[in-house]
Amino acid sequence: KNQVEQSPQSLIILEGKNCTLQCNYTVSPFSNLRWYKQDTGRGPVSLTIMTFSENTKSNGRYTATLDADTKQSSLHITASQLSDSASYICVVSGTYKYIFGTGTRLKVLA
Amino acid sequence: EPEVTQTPSHQVTQMGQEVILRCVPISNHLYFYWYRQILGQKVEFLVSFYNNEISEKSEIFDDQFSVERPDGSNFTLKIRSTKLEDSAMYFCASRRTAVGQGASGANVLTFGAGSRLTVL
Repeated sequence: KNQVEQSPQSLIILEGKNCTLQCNYTVSPFSNLRWYKQDTGRGPVSLTIMTFSENTKSNGRYTATLDADTKQSSLHITASQLSDSASYICVVSGTYKYIFGTGTRLKVLA
Repeated sequence: EPEVTQTPSHQVTQMGQEVILRCVPISNHLYFYWYRQILGQKVEFLVSFYNNEISEKSEIFDDQFSVERPDGSNFTLKIRSTKLEDSAMYFCASRRTAVGQGASGANVLTFGAGSRLTVL
């Protein structure tokens, strides 16, 4: 069954600290994996997109990794800011559909 | 930057009433989607639309739901007779190319800001 699991479910960190969010998937066949940021009450916004052959991709303070062998991805946020408070959703594409993870809710405190 | 636009941003309706949620996808996009997100839960797929017809729908998308692209720019979701459990955020999304076509920017799903539906 195609599934995307994310951990932790929620996370609280202090401003300026780093954090890492995890995504494990069982989607097959695999096309690509995206991380989205969703602010409360808003639509998801794409942060990074990775294909099977890519191991690491950065977008500013966000760095995503992908291990296609173990079917795991991580999103590392460096020097967190208050505006990073949001839900982060891992979305894996198969051949014809997108499988959404349950999301990690991140709260950054001053 | 091109955006997916949704209206209304919030609609309150009585149970049993019909609701139409509207979306204007990005102009050169070919594939259109509706998703919903019940408060505190994950984003759920409702329906995908390509070439003026439904390409896939989930079990959530029952006979009470319909989609239409009436004029080549708007993409609407109609709920015929709303139920309490239809209360959710409804997101429209669009993309230019097919899902499996690598990781180009054209493959990225772009979401609208959502329409919050409250059924009383």
